[in-house]
Formats: sequence, structure tokens, C-alpha cells
Amino acid sequence: DVKVTQSSRYLVKRTGEKVFLECVQDMDHENMFWYRQDPGLGLRLIYFSYDVKMKEKGDIPEGYSVSREKKERFSLILESASTNQTSMYLCASTPGGANQPQHFGDGTRLSIL
Amino acid sequence: QKEVEQNSGPLSVPEGAIASLNCTYSDRGSQSFFWYRQYSGKSPELIMFIYSNGDKEDGRFTAQLNKASQYVSLLIRDSQPSDSATYLCAVEGGFKTIFGAGTRLFVKA
Repeated sequence: DVKVTQSSRYLVKRTGEKVFLECVQDMDHENMFWYRQDPGLGLRLIYFSYDVKMKEKGDIPEGYSVSREKKERFSLILESASTNQTSMYLCASTPGGANQPQHFGDGTRLSIL
Repeated sequence: QKEVEQNSGPLSVPEGAIASLNCTYSDRGSQSFFWYRQYSGKSPELIMFIYSNGDKEDGRFTAQLNKASQYVSLLIRDSQPSDSATYLCAVEGGFKTIFGAGTRLFVKA
């Protein structure tokens, strides 16, 4: 089974801090994704990457950046955390090619105070 | 913008009944369709996928796809309290997957 591991289940940070969320997958997947999930809004794509050092903006990239230095690791960075970034963050991966389902990590519930 | 629409619910059914969850999508070129189940506080898990028009059955679950109507549904037969969760419809959109906001299902014992 694919294992997608997110570094923290719960995280509390203060406004203005730089926050790093880490995600590692163990199945050599080409594609990796970061979503945030808020009640009533569903899953919204922040950024995705289809190869090492490649990144593409999703639907809500503002206030975020990403890094993919190694194939198995995809990091989400909140450059200067704000309270409206309090949310559940989900990392996912898929193999290369079309028509692939997403494999999700357990999620990180981030609170910005 | 590509969209996936679901009724947010909650949908409440008695134990043993059939639960019917529906989803419409806007991109006529979409080829792959997925249903995920998400328990409260957990991450989504894949339960069904369908690529061709018609029905696809897996145990108590049946996915139905009608590309002409841009409609996909999930039927859960003999619903159990353990099926109580939010069900997310997802549609392939190139590299990305477009998710609906989900339908909450309650199965009453």
C-alpha cells in the first residue's frame, strides 16, 4: 500500500510565523499535491508538482509556496502565517499518467493564533 | 472553471436501506470519476472509480456514470451505521482532480 506521511497531525503557530508542512510518500509517485479543506468548501488545491523541482499553482496559491527537492518529499510553506490559513491541510500523491486516484496522508490540522 | 457539484446533505437513511449519492460535473471532456469516503477527522479514502458509461459494482457499492448527462452517482446497498461519513465525488481534470464539497450521509441504526 502507498504510504503518504505528513509530519504533524496538529500544529499551532502564531500570525507572522513562517510555517513548514512536510509530506513524504514511499511509492515513487511522480505527482504530489497540497490541498486545504474547510467546512462547506471542500478540498481546494493549493499547489501541485509533477516532477522534482517542478511546481504548478492550484486554485488558491496566494500566501503559500512549495518545494520539491526530492521525488518523495513535497513541502508546503506558509510564508507569513495568517489566521485565515487556519485549516486542515492534506497532502496527496499519484503515479504518473492519467486517470489515477489520489492517495492521501492523514492531514495536518493547523491553527494560526 | 471546472466544477463538481454535490448536494451537501445531510442524507439520512435507515439501516439496511439503499443510500443514493449524486454528483454533476461541468467538464464534458472528463474521463475518470472517483468516489472517496471521509470519516470525521480523517483523510479521504478511495472507495470506487469508474471510467466508462454504465454501472460498476464492488460489493455493496455501485457507481453509475452517464457522460451524456454529465452525471455520476454512488449507490450503497444494505447501508450500515459504519457507512456514516462524508462522500466526495471527484473528477479528473488533466493533472489535477476536481473535488466536490461532499455529501454527508447518516445511517440510522
